[in-house]
Amino acid sequence: QQQVKQSPQSLIVQKGGISIINCAYENTAFDYFPWYQQFPGKGPALLIAIRPDVSEKKEGRFTISFNKSAKQFSLHIMDSQPGDSATYFCAASIRGSSNTGKLIFGQGTTLQVKP
Amino acid sequence: GAGVSQTPSNKVTEKGKYVELRCDPISGHTALYWYRQSLGQGPEFLIYFQGTGAADDSGLPNDRFFAVRPEGSVSTLKIQRTERGDSAVYLCASSFQVNTEAFFGQGTRLTVV
Repeated sequence: QQQVKQSPQSLIVQKGGISIINCAYENTAFDYFPWYQQFPGKGPALLIAIRPDVSEKKEGRFTISFNKSAKQFSLHIMDSQPGDSATYFCAASIRGSSNTGKLIFGQGTTLQVKP
Repeated sequence: GAGVSQTPSNKVTEKGKYVELRCDPISGHTALYWYRQSLGQGPEFLIYFQGTGAADDSGLPNDRFFAVRPEGSVSTLKIQRTERGDSAVYLCASSFQVNTEAFFGQGTRLTVV
């Protein structure tokens, strides 16, 4: 129940295209869903995050779509650029005063954007 | 820099040896987390500190792993009798308070030979 399943494992997109990465979870107690971007040799960096009370959140070229009933959420990268080439992780956690905020990560998606 | 700092960046050790990995969180951050990232996988939670105390150590794989944060700032992850399966990148993250954005360090790549 603590798992977060992420797909695809790898993704190749042409410059200017849309990159879509999907995640699914089981634990309905999760109430915070961030996406992290990781470059080789670096730690993950927060990209964008959503709470389950909204169905979509957009920040620049990055959009999270959230489907509470299906227990799924996805990251859309519009106008993908070669600089977006990285590994992307979805995650989930349970926030609240009695919780630790520990993140449960998906398995990761390696995105390559071809020029 | 003002980010989370982890030392060393790389550590190669022989099977059976003891290692210590250090994390310097962002100044003023009370929450500190350790994660382990195996090759091609997402990070896995190990332990969470709120201040000096380990509030959640449910992710530590066995009693060879131990972590401390004696003054509520720097933390050390200690691994005894290392095994080849311990080889991974160990990530530290800190946040201003629990349930606020967590900032990750660059990690320590541990290789047990």
